[in-house]
Amino acid sequence: SQKIEQNSEALNIQEGKTATLTCNYTNYSPAYLQWYRQDPGRGPVFLLLIRENEKEKRKERLKVTFDTTLKQSLFHITASQPADSATYLCALPRDNYGQNFVFGPGTRLSVLP
Amino acid sequence: EAGVVQSPRYKIIEKKQPVAFWCNPISGHNTLYWYLQNLGQGPELLIRYENEEAVDDSQLPKDRFSAERLKGVDSTLKIQPAELGDSAVYLCASSLGTTGGYEQYFGPGTRLTVT
Repeated sequence: SQKIEQNSEALNIQEGKTATLTCNYTNYSPAYLQWYRQDPGRGPVFLLLIRENEKEKRKERLKVTFDTTLKQSLFHITASQPADSATYLCALPRDNYGQNFVFGPGTRLSVLP
Repeated sequence: EAGVVQSPRYKIIEKKQPVAFWCNPISGHNTLYWYLQNLGQGPELLIRYENEEAVDDSQLPKDRFSAERLKGVDSTLKIQPAELGDSAVYLCASSLGTTGGYEQYFGPGTRLTVT
């Protein structure tokens, strides 16, 4: 089954800068990959899905890329704001059936004013 | 539209006691998941339901954990007896489907502390 690594446990950046978070997986390349945001004391909230045939996906200040050769997804937040501070999780199907998900450990992002 | 509802939000019990968590998914969502989340980790799947059928419970420790989803709507997750290592956040999620990348909607979770 899949194993997921996210670049770092915590990432601190200055307000207005671009935050880049990394999600690496080890086994087969999934048909899609999802990113979620989790605030303390709350459940994860879906942000974006990117499919294997999509190189890039955008939503407002968010951008996700998916490189099946590198087995990696990058998650970017441009013009970051303190309100973007949260833990960001990537998730992908556990197997080829795509019915159950494996979540990464998450990266805790802190945007400093 | 109401989100996924879970109760209780917090529970403190002594080891060897039983505990139950309740989840009400979003209306119309046939797929329901129970996850366990430890501090600093991502959610780990315990069980997945399609309507009232548990289609994947391979990660559920069946010696002490049980779950049910009567009538394919609400679900209950039970632990009996609880152990110290069961202290974690238990998350319920629901989705319209599974294959194809349907997004999951999570509840706020139940934080369990076993003393």
